[in-house]
Amino acid sequence: DAKTTQPNSMESNEEEPVHLPCNHSTISGTDYIHWYRQLPSQGPEYVIHGLTSNVNNRMASLAIAEDRKSSTLILHRATLRDAAVYYCILSKSFGNEKLTFGTGTRLTIIP
Amino acid sequence: DVKVTQSSRYLVKRTGEKVFLECVQDMDHENMFWYRQDPGLGLRLIYFSYDVKMKEKGDIPEGYSVSREKKERFSLILESASTNQTSMYLCASSLAGLAAPSYEQYFGPGTRLTVT
Repeated sequence: DAKTTQPNSMESNEEEPVHLPCNHSTISGTDYIHWYRQLPSQGPEYVIHGLTSNVNNRMASLAIAEDRKSSTLILHRATLRDAAVYYCILSKSFGNEKLTFGTGTRLTIIP
Repeated sequence: DVKVTQSSRYLVKRTGEKVFLECVQDMDHENMFWYRQDPGLGLRLIYFSYDVKMKEKGDIPEGYSVSREKKERFSLILESASTNQTSMYLCASSLAGLAAPSYEQYFGPGTRLTVT
């Protein structure tokens, strides 16, 4: 199974954009890229997912490299509430609903 | 809103006890999952189920079993609890179907189990 690599931790100032990187150099052509986040003392929650094209939703944007070997989750204006562990996950396109979570990136927001 | 509930937030059990962790979802999801989360190891999949009475082993099934008698309920069973099963246990659910890999998983709040 293809794996992802993320920095262990990142810091960002409040009200500034945050770019969270993820490397997935062994991604296959049909793997989806998912992002989840886990706020303190809560279960993970879905943020966004994509396949090939960049994606936007109300929470974030997902920028996928042209060769799909890396992606970046973009929080456009970080708030203190965005402090969480962010997980970048790959899933197979067909017949496999499993998600394999790594250890993620712990994002700290500085007021 | 999808709701995934777990029977307890905190649980303390003794070594050798049989432990039941219950999970219920209210969105008619076909898939349900049990994970455990430990510091430095992230979330690891224990078992999942894609239909009533169906189950599949995840990455770390040893020492656990599961039961899914109704669509909305998925139980994790520790037949004989051991101290190395002290962990945070998270339940999740999702839709199934041809587009299943793109469906999001909805998580419960977790059960922190301590085995002494």
